[in-house]
Amino acid sequence: SQQGEEDPQALSIQEGENATMNCSYKTSINNLQWYRQNSGRGLVHLILIRSNEREKHSGRLRVTLDTSKKSSSLLITASRAADTASYFCATDRRSNTGKLIFGQGTTLQVKP
Amino acid sequence: GAGVSQSPSNKVTEKGKDVELRCDPISGHTALYWYRQSLGQGLEFLIYFQGNSAPDKSGLPSDRFSAERTGGSVSTLTIQRTQQEDSAVYLCASSYRQGANYGYTFGSGTRLTVV
Repeated sequence: SQQGEEDPQALSIQEGENATMNCSYKTSINNLQWYRQNSGRGLVHLILIRSNEREKHSGRLRVTLDTSKKSSSLLITASRAADTASYFCATDRRSNTGKLIFGQGTTLQVKP
Repeated sequence: GAGVSQSPSNKVTEKGKDVELRCDPISGHTALYWYRQSLGQGLEFLIYFQGNSAPDKSGLPSDRFSAERTGGSVSTLTIQRTQQEDSAVYLCASSYRQGANYGYTFGSGTRLTVV
């Protein structure tokens, strides 16, 4: 079964706007990670948030984690055309630590 | 090397043939992972290696799939008697150590097309 599920599946915004993507999961986790994928090839690690953390920032990225709701959100502020990509959340589960389980991803289009 | 290297980048094969996909992880990374991604889909876990421990093969879809990791470094994913449903991008990743607090570094993948 799919551990991480992203919402929305697709998002289209104008350059300069903020983009928010959500991720829900089902079981207890050690950490949750967000990745970006361009052109259907390799993924790039963006940010990792541990289960005892609630918020984390990296540049224009802000990630929150609510373990009581088993959900996370990724906020990209002041978006740029270069942010156009697919974004995936992935969880490292406590029950089977060591491998990340990925969601289906959110496709973000930032229009110039 | 500086990153995770996968070869070939593209592979077209006839149904029923065997294929080998190669992954060179980042030097010093003890954990290595294989994932598969079908068009427009998320990543499907296949297998992972951690040091000298027995690999976690729980994601391999059938006994036609196998993987090795020699000397704790290079890994080869082998698909025997390929089927059209095997067509996908096969992604390899490595991390400094298994699990909890280490992000993965991915290669660019091998796009496999079975005709």
